[in-house]
Amino acid sequence: AQSVTQLGSHVSVSEGALVLLRCNYSSSVPPYLFWYVQYPNQGLQLLLKYTTGATLVKGINGFEAEFKKSETSFHLTKPSAHMSDAAEYFCASSSYNQGGKLIFGQGTELSVKP
Amino acid sequence: DTGVSQNPRHKITKRGQNVTFRCDPISEHNRLYWYRQTLGQGPEFLTYFQNEAQLEKSRLLSDRFSAERPKGSFSTLEIQRTEQGDSAMYLCASSVGTADVGYTFGSGTRLTVV
Repeated sequence: AQSVTQLGSHVSVSEGALVLLRCNYSSSVPPYLFWYVQYPNQGLQLLLKYTTGATLVKGINGFEAEFKKSETSFHLTKPSAHMSDAAEYFCASSSYNQGGKLIFGQGTELSVKP
Repeated sequence: DTGVSQNPRHKITKRGQNVTFRCDPISEHNRLYWYRQTLGQGPEFLTYFQNEAQLEKSRLLSDRFSAERPKGSFSTLEIQRTEQGDSAMYLCASSVGTADVGYTFGSGTRLTVV
């Protein structure tokens, strides 16, 4: 069975600092990996995804993530945090045999201090 | 493309009452998913449709829950005899059918059972 673990339920950074949100997955087949962002009382918005090919993927709003199979990780980074990045971030996985069903991590709340 | 629309946005109901939520997916999306999200947690899969066929239901979906997608267009999620534990955000998402694409989520329906 697939699973996703996000390390750290809360991360706080200063504006302009590096953002690093950690995600580890478990899957017996090649995974598809996603990062979503959720603002208060809203649905989830896709930031980026990895399916096959290049392991470093770039997404919207300056975010990127690197798929590391040896570490079973898919950490999300952004070089310089902006106040508008404050939100809840979810890592999720799927695979070709899951019917498109996503397995989500518990989420990481990102706070950005001025 | 007006996105995924969910109605109502908020629903407060008394325990034991029935409630129904509606989801209108993006018109060309053949897959439609329902997820439930409780406070501080990631979304949990409930069920999904490909066109009008309901292909998978989670064990979370008790007999009190039923979902339909007549004619493969909009979908409804009904909860009968609501319980306080049903209080959550119910999220609908749609996609074009393959697991690697990622979803478009609606803004959700927040259910409060009092």
